Amino acid sequence: QKEVEQNSGPLSVPEGAIASLNCTYSDRVSQSFFWYRQYSGKSPELIMSIYSNGDKEDGRFTAQLNKASQYVSLLIRDSQPSDSATYLCAVAGNTPLVFGKGTRLSVIA
Amino acid sequence: DAGVTQSPTHLIKTRGQHVTLRCSPISGHKSVSWYQQVLGQGPQFIFQYYEKEERGRGNFPDRFSARQFPNYSSELNVNALLLGDSALYLCASSPDGEETQYFGPGTRLLVL
Repeated sequence: QKEVEQNSGPLSVPEGAIASLNCTYSDRVSQSFFWYRQYSGKSPELIMSIYSNGDKEDGRFTAQLNKASQYVSLLIRDSQPSDSATYLCAVAGNTPLVFGKGTRLSVIA
Repeated sequence: DAGVTQSPTHLIKTRGQHVTLRCSPISGHKSVSWYQQVLGQGPQFIFQYYEKEERGRGNFPDRFSARQFPNYSSELNVNALLLGDSALYLCASSPDGEETQYFGPGTRLLVL
């Protein structure tokens, strides 16, 4: 049974700070990793994908992947109140996406 | 370009009834997947279709079925509804050769 684990939170950070969201996965053959943002009552929205070890940056977002440790993270720099949402980690590898339960982020103005 | 569309947006049914949910993928996407998301959980995979063929099935009972049409749109059917089927049902489409899933707005189903 493939599992993706996330701290459910809530994670509270002040406006302008860096938010760090973490995710671990159980299946070593996983090849593709995704972060989705989901606002309350809405559907998941893709933020970033990452496929290779290391960092990938897109604007205020940085995804980090360590396949040896089976660990994926998402950093949000200069956090804004509009970043308050649930962040879902998803993993794929010859299978459809397996999602974690999500981490609820609250950015305090 | 239009994103993934789903209908209806909301639905209320009673136990034992049947429901059909509909999805149209992003233009050019041939793969459609269905997910169920209950409150407080991440989406759970139900089905994946590609070129009208079932490519994967999650751990859901046979009351759940789906199909994909020649225009790549898809339907999810659920028979003999249970209270526990109340959830947000998400449809997602993918470009050829990619695992990235793009989600539609979802259908919120309430079973009373």
